[in-house]
Amino acid sequence: QKEVEQNSGPLSVPEGAIASLNCTYSDRVSQSFFWYRQYSGKSPELIMSIYSNGDKEDGRFTAQLNKASQYVSLLIRDSQPSDSATYLCAVNANAGNMLTFGGGTRLMVKP
Amino acid sequence: GAGVSQSPRYKVAKRGQDVALRCDPISGHVSLFWYQQALGQGPEFLTYFQNEAQLDKSGLPSDRFFAERPEGSVSTLKIQRTQQEDSAVYLCASSLARGESGNTIYFGEGSWLTVV
Repeated sequence: QKEVEQNSGPLSVPEGAIASLNCTYSDRVSQSFFWYRQYSGKSPELIMSIYSNGDKEDGRFTAQLNKASQYVSLLIRDSQPSDSATYLCAVNANAGNMLTFGGGTRLMVKP
Repeated sequence: GAGVSQSPRYKVAKRGQDVALRCDPISGHVSLFWYQQALGQGPEFLTYFQNEAQLDKSGLPSDRFFAERPEGSVSTLKIQRTQQEDSAVYLCASSLARGESGNTIYFGEGSWLTVV
């Protein structure tokens, strides 16, 4: 079992809909959680970080963390075709330590 | 520059050739990471430096892979006797490693290695 699991997709949503991306992790000592967006042929770009249970909102993006269930999610409201990309979930245990990534979920937003 | 800089961006190597990939992290960043990303996969950890000390090299796939950061800034990932399975994007990343946002990791554009 991989340490960070994501559904590879593709997840297809119509423009304007809410896209929901999910991630589970196995290491209970994980303290920091990140969502990266990666366009084809480009490097991962940080879009959200979350450190405590609950929701964190930033514009159209909301990250949700539930440490008891070892689950983190990303909601994208009013999805746009430009949101079409692979979304990578990443976790780490301590500042300065390496991130462990999931395999990514490919999101397709159709006009 | 303001971001993580990697070179070369693209490298085609013949099987058996040695390659060296360079990473220049964000100025002042203590931690430096190398990741390998195969097509359609998430990045896989290779190795981690804190300043010049290589604290974790558990992800290096074989003894053909070697990384160094002798002065605690620029790092080089060297792959000896390249094999076709080494074809991947090699991503370098850095972080401050201290403070509230210290564990935010920023990636370079990657070095795309193709072994033929």
